[in-house]
Amino acid sequence: ETGVTQSPTHLIKTRGQQVTLRCSSQSGHNTVSWYQQALGQGPQFIFQYYREEENGRGNFPPRFSGLQFPNYSSELNVNALELDDSALYLCASSSPDRGSGNTIYFGEGSWLTVV
Amino acid sequence: GNSVTQMEGPVTLSEEAFLTINCTYTATGYPSLFWYVQYPGEGLQLLLKATKADDKGSNKGFEATYRKETTSFHLEKGSVQVSDSAVYFCALSDLSTGNQFYFGTGTSLTVIP
Repeated sequence: ETGVTQSPTHLIKTRGQQVTLRCSSQSGHNTVSWYQQALGQGPQFIFQYYREEENGRGNFPPRFSGLQFPNYSSELNVNALELDDSALYLCASSSPDRGSGNTIYFGEGSWLTVV
Repeated sequence: GNSVTQMEGPVTLSEEAFLTINCTYTATGYPSLFWYVQYPGEGLQLLLKATKADDKGSNKGFEATYRKETTSFHLEKGSVQVSDSAVYFCALSDLSTGNQFYFGTGTSLTVIP
């Protein structure tokens, strides 16, 4: 078991609305990254947080934003939802400075449907 | 830049058949290579990894060898089981570029009894 937990597991939103997805990292992991997985595709990197700071971002517009809290949990916020935002959103945690290498461990994901 | 290309599926095999899923990569630095597996309705689980050239990752009967000369990391299993039915993703990560993971598009495997 990875220990990464995400909520909610499923949700439906209307185009133009805003959504917040939450993630608790695996115990001892201080780095959280978010990925978007469209149906039939591989995960695409959105951004990464390390010690509450964003330290890497993929090719996603600014309406995708995030936070990391002192306990290393994280939120992904998406504003002005579009139909193409419908996807599985995956949170992954890691601890690169703990000698575990750069392996990331995923949660079960949050399925977002935009209608 | 960094990218991963993997064999398109779907792949259908009979139980106990030999499995190969091809994966090649392009990287600017010295990446680590991974295989993740995704069962229906679930997140991705790490299957195996290799962090440098000629390393072999292995787990649950699956193996993959990091081949720098051919920029490949093909996944193999000698005898698949019905329970291996899932989608398999090849991925790379390069710590020099901040540990962003680059995934292939996934290969769906169905094993029939």
